[in-house]
Amino acid sequence: DIQMSQSPSTLSASVGDRVTITCRASQSISSWLAWYQQKPGKAPKLLIYKASTLESGVPSRFSGSGSGTEFTLTISSLQPDDFGTYYCQQYSRYWTFGQGTKVEVK
Amino acid sequence: QVHLVESGGGVVQPGKSLRLTCAASGFTFRSYGMHWVRQAPGKGLEWVAIISYDGTNEYYVDSVKGRFTVSRDNSKNTMFLQMNNLKPEDTAVYYCAKDFKFRSYFDFWGQGSLVTVSS
Repeated sequence: DIQMSQSPSTLSASVGDRVTITCRASQSISSWLAWYQQKPGKAPKLLIYKASTLESGVPSRFSGSGSGTEFTLTISSLQPDDFGTYYCQQYSRYWTFGQGTKVEVK
Repeated sequence: QVHLVESGGGVVQPGKSLRLTCAASGFTFRSYGMHWVRQAPGKGLEWVAIISYDGTNEYYVDSVKGRFTVSRDNSKNTMFLQMNNLKPEDTAVYYCAKDFKFRSYFDFWGQGSLVTVSS
């Protein structure tokens, strides 16, 4: 099984901050990685797929990078609507999510 | 636009059964793989099962193999999750999600249906 780990688990930030979340896979997944955003009580929303491709309609302040086993999600300038929990997901072999990173108000 | 609506959740005793339904609209349902994903209260996301576009292939997470069965009715744009021998650790919000193709990422999600397994 492919395990996914995210860091940090919680991130305190202010509006306008640059935010970076890291996701690591237990084995190489090439670029078969997606990022999702989830707000409390809501379904997850797709942000990025294939490690760095922005889903249609997602603001350009979101970006993804990486390949193999190390990936990052960056928010260039945090906006009020960006607070929530972010999950990485590998889809190289079946599907596994990271444990999540909660982005909260500093 | 794509719309996924789950139903059938509720409170059930350990060892009992429950069937969830996912009603889909806004896309050609018969052309896409579909998933079930669950989220225990206060916890992260866990993939549960996938069914291929034509229903001929199914895959499950180990913890539900032999207890859960995914199926679909393409004539009614509907997917099902039959859950048998439920355990307290199956308590979660269950989401249905559309695969981008088959065995890919999830581009649309339903709003979820809460299943509580408790005596």
